[in-house]
Amino acid sequence: AQKVTQAQTEISVVEKEDVTLDCVYETRDTTYYLFWYKQPPSGELVFLIRRNSFDEQNEISGRYSWNFQKSTSSFNFTITASQVVDSAVYFCALSEVRGGGADGLTFGKGTHLIIQP
Amino acid sequence: EAQVTQNPRYLITVTGKKLTVTCSQNMNHEYMSWYRQDPGLGLRQIYYSMNVEVTDKGDVPEGYKVSRKEKRNFPLILESPSPNQTSLYFCASSLSAGTGWEPQHFGDGTRLSIL
Repeated sequence: AQKVTQAQTEISVVEKEDVTLDCVYETRDTTYYLFWYKQPPSGELVFLIRRNSFDEQNEISGRYSWNFQKSTSSFNFTITASQVVDSAVYFCALSEVRGGGADGLTFGKGTHLIIQP
Repeated sequence: EAQVTQNPRYLITVTGKKLTVTCSQNMNHEYMSWYRQDPGLGLRQIYYSMNVEVTDKGDVPEGYKVSRKEKRNFPLILESPSPNQTSLYFCASSLSAGTGWEPQHFGDGTRLSIL
């Protein structure tokens, strides 16, 4: 069965520091998709990135970057020069194609990131 | 504006009193699903629907029912709520099932408290 592990329950850093959130996944499928979502204190879920299992290129979007390594089954997320507005809970998620074709998301338990001013 | 709308946003009720949380999307999405979020457990899928009249159980379906009579609506029904169903609930939709290419769009969440 699929599983997503976010070992860091909570991380606290001072503003402007770089921070990396770890995500390790387990799946028996060769085709799967990985996601990161942000949940700010207001509670909504904000989609950040999607990556398919055939694309191991790292991605950078502004201060955000993602490192996908199939060899270690990891999909880590780095925030460069963190800001207070980055404070949130971040979820890593995995999507497989189930027997019926539906692709439910399996979420990690989340990492609570606290950026101190 | 493309959105997933859940109602109510907050509800406090008592054990055994049937309740329905509505979910509606305006993007003509085929795939809809419900998740619950609990502290330390992340989000877990309750039920999903691949299209009208097609629903199936997720990882934690016990105590819940759903229906998909129209493409845009996917209500979550708690026939006899119990305190262990106190949680934050999210409805989500995506264009189609089975690809993963489309990220799921989430509603703003419904916080249920069952006393």
